[in-house]
Amino acid sequence: DAGVTQSPTHLIKTRGQQVTLRCSPISGHKSVSWYQQVLGQGPQFIFQYYEKEERGRGNFPDRFSARQFPNYSSELNVNALLLGDSALYLCASSHGVGDGSYEQYFGPGTRLTVT
Amino acid sequence: LAKTTQPISMDSYEGQEVNITCSHNNIATNDYITWYQQFPSQGPRFIIQGYKTKVTNEVASLFIPADRKSSTLSLPRVSLSDTAVYYCLVAEGAGNMLTFGGGTRLMVKP
Repeated sequence: DAGVTQSPTHLIKTRGQQVTLRCSPISGHKSVSWYQQVLGQGPQFIFQYYEKEERGRGNFPDRFSARQFPNYSSELNVNALLLGDSALYLCASSHGVGDGSYEQYFGPGTRLTVT
Repeated sequence: LAKTTQPISMDSYEGQEVNITCSHNNIATNDYITWYQQFPSQGPRFIIQGYKTKVTNEVASLFIPADRKSSTLSLPRVSLSDTAVYYCLVAEGAGNMLTFGGGTRLMVKP
């Protein structure tokens, strides 16, 4: 069974541009979460989606947005890119939300470099 | 401001037991405490989660005191392949803000 997949694996963008990252969860999982991991630091929570609705949001500016589709895949959009947005963007899937469990399965991430 | 803290690094030798503690002073009341392992250039991998007291699986144990303001991941008899960064993850406040600790870099030596 396939794990969490993310695309693209690497991306180079210029300051001010916009980027869209994609994630496909494990089959049967209905929740997707997005994290930003700067080199040498722990992942920082950006969003959590369940059944196409936002269920959680981290302390990120409005330049960051996301959505979840009926097939439970998800996109993360970042507008007006800054140098500080350079990071590994991780997607994680889980069965659901609300039961207090955070057993998530992570994809390999998308490495975004902003120049 | 809520804070989730872990030791930055730990060294151990093969065959020893390793205990990594995470402090979380604003954990959501009804949510689990979860631990992950991360190797370079990979996403985190789920190790174990628990709500209170002690949980054990085939790779680790997790100890959680009654006040749930900390948790300790215990790795029995570590091997070189356990060299990685270990993170705790908790939900804070109302449970819709997920917070990873800063990570503990474990180095296992022969």
